[in-house]
Amino acid sequence: SQQGEEDPQALSIQEGENATMNCSYKTSINNLQWYRQNSGRGLVHLILIRSNEREKHSGRLRVTLDTSKKSSSLLITASRAADTASYFCATDAGGKLIFGQGTELSVKP
Amino acid sequence: DAGVIQSPRHEVTEMGQEVTLRCKPISGHDYLFWYRQTMMRGLELLIYFNNNVPIDDSGMPEDRFSAKMPNASFSTLKIQPSEPRDSAVYFCASSSGTVSYEQYFGPGTRLTVT
Repeated sequence: SQQGEEDPQALSIQEGENATMNCSYKTSINNLQWYRQNSGRGLVHLILIRSNEREKHSGRLRVTLDTSKKSSSLLITASRAADTASYFCATDAGGKLIFGQGTELSVKP
Repeated sequence: DAGVIQSPRHEVTEMGQEVTLRCKPISGHDYLFWYRQTMMRGLELLIYFNNNVPIDDSGMPEDRFSAKMPNASFSTLKIQPSEPRDSAVYFCASSSGTVSYEQYFGPGTRLTVT
């Protein structure tokens, strides 16, 4: 089964609203990463949070990590139509990255 | 830097044919990864190399799949013979440092086996 599982599977919001995506995982990790994938393109790294960090910011992105609950969340503030994409969490466990199934975000103008 | 380069971008072939996918990692990156993405199984790691040496090929589905990295700037993923269930998007990614570092993905090769 997947190490990381995103929730929800799909999310549709209006431009300007915030988008929150969650990721749960099963085993202890060294770090957790979030990636974005636009339709028909490769994945693009967004942010990495280490196991000893609780929160990290990058521009309009905010990532939290709760190792006790084995979960992470990605918040995109003031969303734009260009944020429409699939978002994946990836956990580093056992020496390789394991990707979740992704959350498909649609931001309507 | 041009980023990770993959070729071809699209490949359509008939069942039983040999398929070779190519990847040029970012210069200076010492890790190279091959992934396969399908709707059913998501993104799966097939194999990864460190300094041109295969480290973990446990994700390679069958003996029909093989990967090589003859030098630091080139890798191939070969499927022989190809089957319809191999249809997927194949990504190459590279990174520096360790496996834990951020990975840079290529644009992918969309493979269709008829």
